[in-house]
Amino acid sequence: AQKITQTQPGMFVQEKEAVTLDCTYDTSDPSYGLFWYKQPSSGEMIFLIYQGSYDQQNATEGRYSLNFQKARKSANLVISASQLGDSAMYFCAMRGYNFNKFYFGSGTKLNVKP
Amino acid sequence: DAGVTQSPTHLIKTRGQHVTLRCSPISGHKSVSWYQQVLGQGPQFIFQYYEKEERGRGNFPDRFSARQFPNYSSELNVNALLLGDSALYLCASSLDGAGGSADTQYFGPGTRLTVL
Repeated sequence: AQKITQTQPGMFVQEKEAVTLDCTYDTSDPSYGLFWYKQPSSGEMIFLIYQGSYDQQNATEGRYSLNFQKARKSANLVISASQLGDSAMYFCAMRGYNFNKFYFGSGTKLNVKP
Repeated sequence: DAGVTQSPTHLIKTRGQHVTLRCSPISGHKSVSWYQQVLGQGPQFIFQYYEKEERGRGNFPDRFSARQFPNYSSELNVNALLLGDSALYLCASSLDGAGGSADTQYFGPGTRLTVL
């Protein structure tokens, strides 16, 4: 069975500092995709970054990078130079081998302090 | 380009009623998925459709059904509403559902359903 675990219900970070949001996953699929989404209080899920299980390098998108450790089954999101607008819920998600289901974690609420 | 659109934005129904939620994918996207997000939780997968065919179904009762039209838009139907169906219903579209980064799902703003 597929499972995504986010162990940090809430986190605080000072503006302009970096922060790491944890995500571990469990799957027996030979290939899979890992995603991070941001959900502001408005409710819309915003795609941030994607990592394929066979990608050799960690994914980066602007201030977002994904620290992918396949052996540990972890896919942590690193946000550099935090901004006040980064305050939101962050969800880690996984798409399994059959491409027909997405599994989401329970989310981490990030608060950026001025 | 327009993103994923959903209608209505908000909806209030009473127990036992039926509801239809609508979703239009990003232009060129052929796959649509539906999710239920209860307050304080992550989204739960309900259905995925690709080229009008159901490709995946989550652990939801048969009261939940969906379909995809030739223009790739989609409807989610829920019959015999229960109080527990109150949630944010999210629709997401992806290019082809074939895996890789092209399978990234882009979400709409959601429909907030309240069942009284």
